[in-house]
Amino acid sequence: KAGVTQTPRYLIKTRGQQVTLSCSPISGHRSVSWYQQTPGQGLQFLFEYFSETQRNKGNFPGRFSGRQFSNSRSEMNVSTLELGDSALYLCASSLYRNTEAFFGQGTRLTVV
Amino acid sequence: AQTVTQSQPEMSVQEAETVTLSCTYDTSESDYYLFWYKQPPSRQMILVIRQEAYKQQNATENRFSVNFQKAAKSFSLKISDSQLGDAAMYFCAYSTTNSGGGADGLTFGKGTHLIIQP
Repeated sequence: KAGVTQTPRYLIKTRGQQVTLSCSPISGHRSVSWYQQTPGQGLQFLFEYFSETQRNKGNFPGRFSGRQFSNSRSEMNVSTLELGDSALYLCASSLYRNTEAFFGQGTRLTVV
Repeated sequence: AQTVTQSQPEMSVQEAETVTLSCTYDTSESDYYLFWYKQPPSRQMILVIRQEAYKQQNATENRFSVNFQKAAKSFSLKISDSQLGDAAMYFCAYSTTNSGGGADGLTFGKGTHLIIQP
C-alpha cells in the first residue's frame, strides 16, 4: 500500500509569490492534516480536511489556505509569500478523524 | 490549550543500551491519545507508538515501550537495545479523542535529538 505522497519535495519561491503544495493520502484515508515545521517554532498544526471540508484551522494567517478533493487528495496554498514561510510542510493522513496519523516526506519550501 | 513538553533537547546512548526519553503534557481532558514519532534525517515522521489515555496498560512495540503516568501527566519512551538506526529526532505528541489529530491537530513537543554511539 502506497504511503502519503507529497509533491514537490523541494521548492524555491520569491517573496510575494504564491505556492501550491500537494498531498495524496494513503488509499482509503479520508482525513488530511497539514503541519508547518521550522527550527524556531517546531511543528505547528495548519488545518485539517475531512470529506472535502475544512474541519479546523491552526493559528495561521489567511494567506494559508487549502482544499480537499473528492478523492481525498489535498492541496495547500500560501499566497504573498514571506521569508518566514520558509519551512518544511508536512501532510498527514488518517483513516478517520479519530485515528492515528501517517506522514508524508514533506515539502521543503524556501522563500528568497 | 494543550501543551507538550520535552525537557531533553538531546540524549546520547551507547549502542545496545537502554535510553528513556521524557515527555510531560498538560490537558484538562480525561480522554486523549499520546504518540511518539521518530523523524530521521530523511525528515519523514514515523509513528513509533501510541497510547490511549483510558488504557492503564502501557503500550509496547518490540524494543519500544512507554511509561504512561496519567495522574502525573507523564509519557516517557523507553528504547531497549538501542541500534544505530534509532538515531533521530523523537517527538511526543498529544491528540484529543474527538479528532485523533483533527480538531486541534496533533500538539507536538519540541523534540529530543537521540544520538547512538557505536
